[in-house]
Amino acid sequence: NAGVTQTPKFQVLKTGQSMTLQCAQDMNHNSMYWYRQDPGMGLRLIYYSASEGTTDKGEVPNGYNVSRLNKREFSLRLESAAPSQTSVYFCASSGRQGATYGYTFGSGTRLTVV
Amino acid sequence: GQQLNQSPQSMFIQEGEDVSMNCTSSSIFNTWLWYKQDPGEGPVLLIALYKAGELTSNGRLTAQFGITRKDSFLNISASIPSDVGIYFCAGMNYGGSQGNLIFGKGTKLSVKP
Repeated sequence: NAGVTQTPKFQVLKTGQSMTLQCAQDMNHNSMYWYRQDPGMGLRLIYYSASEGTTDKGEVPNGYNVSRLNKREFSLRLESAAPSQTSVYFCASSGRQGATYGYTFGSGTRLTVV
Repeated sequence: GQQLNQSPQSMFIQEGEDVSMNCTSSSIFNTWLWYKQDPGEGPVLLIALYKAGELTSNGRLTAQFGITRKDSFLNISASIPSDVGIYFCAGMNYGGSQGNLIFGKGTKLSVKP
């Protein structure tokens, strides 16, 4: 099925550990995004990539890095995890589907930093 | 920066009741989107609005793009238990190469059978 695939679905890290969250889309979308979702805060943009080869900071980029590996894949890296980065992370891609323009989200990665 | 105020934050209703929620913005958008998020899942697009004054339906859901371009409304008629979830509004200025979504903080809907 067409969509956005995120891995892993769950992860527990110790403070200071590093990890990379993976995201891939098969809808041939140009743009991809990483959001974090915290209770009562809605979805906040961490980084985005408007097209292959470009990345830009969103609202809350500190503590994260991203790589747009190719048109399909956009990864999010935590170099030194902190408890404040405990959150649910969503990857999304965007583009036109017929007459509709919208974002398609993955099912999320639930990250706990202890 | 742009901010969206979504209200109410939560709703507890009886099955069969109608539901209304809205979003207001400090600045204008040219696109409004409404999403629903089920527990443990990512948001799923419900309705997209592209023109001021536009009224669009998707089954029991109806959404409107406000005339001022600073607000949008979502109505759900005759609610059922599977309507439970968090509903997010999102505004965007799409054009040129790309637009970025600004999300409201969500309305959590609970439906009592």
